[in-house]
Amino acid sequence: EPEVTQTPSHQVTQMGQEVILRCVPISNHLYFYWYRQILGQKVEFLVSFYNNEISEKSEIFDDQFSVERPDGSNFTLKIRSTKLEDSAMYFCASRRDSGGLPYEQYFGPGTRLTVT
Amino acid sequence: GESVGLHLPTLSVQEGDNSIINCAYSNSASDYFIWYKQESGKGPQFIIDIRSNMDKRQGQRVTVLLNKTVKHLSLQIAATQPGDSAVYFCAEKRLTGGGNKLTFGTGTQLKVEL
Repeated sequence: EPEVTQTPSHQVTQMGQEVILRCVPISNHLYFYWYRQILGQKVEFLVSFYNNEISEKSEIFDDQFSVERPDGSNFTLKIRSTKLEDSAMYFCASRRDSGGLPYEQYFGPGTRLTVT
Repeated sequence: GESVGLHLPTLSVQEGDNSIINCAYSNSASDYFIWYKQESGKGPQFIIDIRSNMDKRQGQRVTVLLNKTVKHLSLQIAATQPGDSAVYFCAEKRLTGGGNKLTFGTGTQLKVEL
């Protein structure tokens, strides 16, 4: 069964450094998402991406964040200057199309980002 | 503001018993709800969904109940098995005008005791 994959599984970085989290969505999916989950807290929406542009973003997704689909398979989340509070599990998700239910987003296993 | 929250952070059940996981939501405009299961080291996995025009939906060993009057959602797992041990999240969405995001609750840790 096709899966969303994410690399790396764990990323440790120093405060102020740039990080890029990588995702390979399911191949025939059209909608892509990033969520984050701070330890012990709820999963929070960051951004959605469709047709090579951001379709929606949350207040968390400020100018320090950017997303890109550099080729036909990868979907990346970049944090330009990491802060301690960016430490979290970051989940990528993808969805096939816009029509019909269930509205099913398929999630990857996550990248644990630790900012020291 | 909008919120989707869970009543209990941890639920322990005996293998074979039925489990009931609860969720409260505050956005009365929500018209679509999903239960996700998150096993250790994995991302959330879709279990079952329900639209607001229904009050009950059944899947394989799982049933979701929706009470719009009190804005309450529950997930019932029949004959709970060790493989059901995970964190369960409810999520809500507005199908019309709600954008693309899912709004998740805090999560309930289900522990199945042998």
